[in-house]
Amino acid sequence: QQQVKQSPQSLIVQKGGISIINCAYENTAFDYFPWYQQFPGKGPALLIAIRPDVSEKKEGRFTISFNKSAKQFSLHIMDSQPGDSATYFCAASTGQAGTALIFGKGTTLSVSS
Amino acid sequence: SAVISQKPSRDICQRGTSLTIQCQVDSQVTMMFWYRQQPGQSLTLIATANQGSEATYESGFVIDKFPISRPNLTFSTLTVSNMSPEDSSIYLCSGRLALGEQFFGPGTRLTVL
Repeated sequence: QQQVKQSPQSLIVQKGGISIINCAYENTAFDYFPWYQQFPGKGPALLIAIRPDVSEKKEGRFTISFNKSAKQFSLHIMDSQPGDSATYFCAASTGQAGTALIFGKGTTLSVSS
Repeated sequence: SAVISQKPSRDICQRGTSLTIQCQVDSQVTMMFWYRQQPGQSLTLIATANQGSEATYESGFVIDKFPISRPNLTFSTLTVSNMSPEDSSIYLCSGRLALGEQFFGPGTRLTVL
């Protein structure tokens, strides 16, 4: 009920291509869905987040697509660059005060030049 | 946003000793959390640090092993007690803003010999 399932585990994309990472959840009480980017030796950095009242949110080259009925959301990285090579985590939480994020297992993205 | 700092950034400790990790947030956050991350793995929630009261621990984590304090809205400590090599990990502090955004510190890399 509390799990967030993320796929794929790893992803290799050519420079300039589109990277797509998917997540699925079960708990319909979740109402906040962020994505984090983590470089080796660093803490996770909030990349972009969405709430269920919209189906898509775009910030620069990063887009979240959200499908409430399917309980799925995905991260699209357009024009992927070698500097995007990192581990990406999806997460979810409820609106209740004090509810911590539940994380997916992560996707290691490698963008080849 | 919130900027979170942690001290120390890394440490190497002997078995049986204890280490206290400090976390400072630059703005008032509604909640603070402590996570553990094994290399190459996702984030696992240890506990929610409650201001002025006992922390709320997740299954598998106990107060005697991981005592936590949060004396005010912007500061918290996590102690890893009676350490063993299995405690070697990255420990991350996190703060949540009122609208749900959650930010992370850079982490403390702990090695127990």
